[in-house]
Amino acid sequence: GAVVSQHPSRVICKSGTSVKIECRSLDFQATTMFWYRQFPKQSLMLMATSNEGSKATYEQGVEKDKFLINHASLTLSTLTVTSAHPEDSSFYICSARDPGAGGGETQYFGPGTRLLVL
Amino acid sequence: DQQVKQNSPSLSVQEGRISILNCDYTNSMFDYFLWYKKYPAEGPTFLISISSIKDKNEDGRFTVFLNKSAKHLSLHIVPSQPGDSAVYFCAASARGGGKLIFGQGTELSVKP
Repeated sequence: GAVVSQHPSRVICKSGTSVKIECRSLDFQATTMFWYRQFPKQSLMLMATSNEGSKATYEQGVEKDKFLINHASLTLSTLTVTSAHPEDSSFYICSARDPGAGGGETQYFGPGTRLLVL
Repeated sequence: DQQVKQNSPSLSVQEGRISILNCDYTNSMFDYFLWYKKYPAEGPTFLISISSIKDKNEDGRFTVFLNKSAKHLSLHIVPSQPGDSAVYFCAASARGGGKLIFGQGTELSVKP
């Protein structure tokens, strides 16, 4: 299957700082990437859809000024958690849709980033 | 409103037997369905998918069945192996929408 990388895998930061997470599709071009958040023992919650060359589409209840998304190229999307607070501590996962797989509907996921805000 | 539901939070199966994971959906616009396997602190791994024009798709030990009239899909794993122990998520999308809607997950435990 297609490979999606995520960096960093784990980050610990102080409250009030900003954290940037990178998501890359390594062997395909992804016009659309997605950012999810997962709390312990819960399902994946879609935060936003990242579209190359245009603004991201945020799900209801997700603060776009707090979770900045940039999709600068067909292989890279970044999520910046601005002014992070302890309640932002979570597991963040990105995915990329491979246009060549499953009629373009299959998403491949990165390994996730564990964010801990102290 | 939970559009995709996995009503069994956990399932325990003996090694070598069949594992059957179930998923129900409510949105008739969904036309593409996927199963993912996930370990703790890792991203989901794509297993198998099925389009609404089919009722069965098979890949090795994994088979997905789709019953559109019942809005139900299932994943069969046979024979089950201890390495299959993980959380399994079903997901659905409406073509053109792009978004995947996930179920709550079922934790499968395959005992030797």
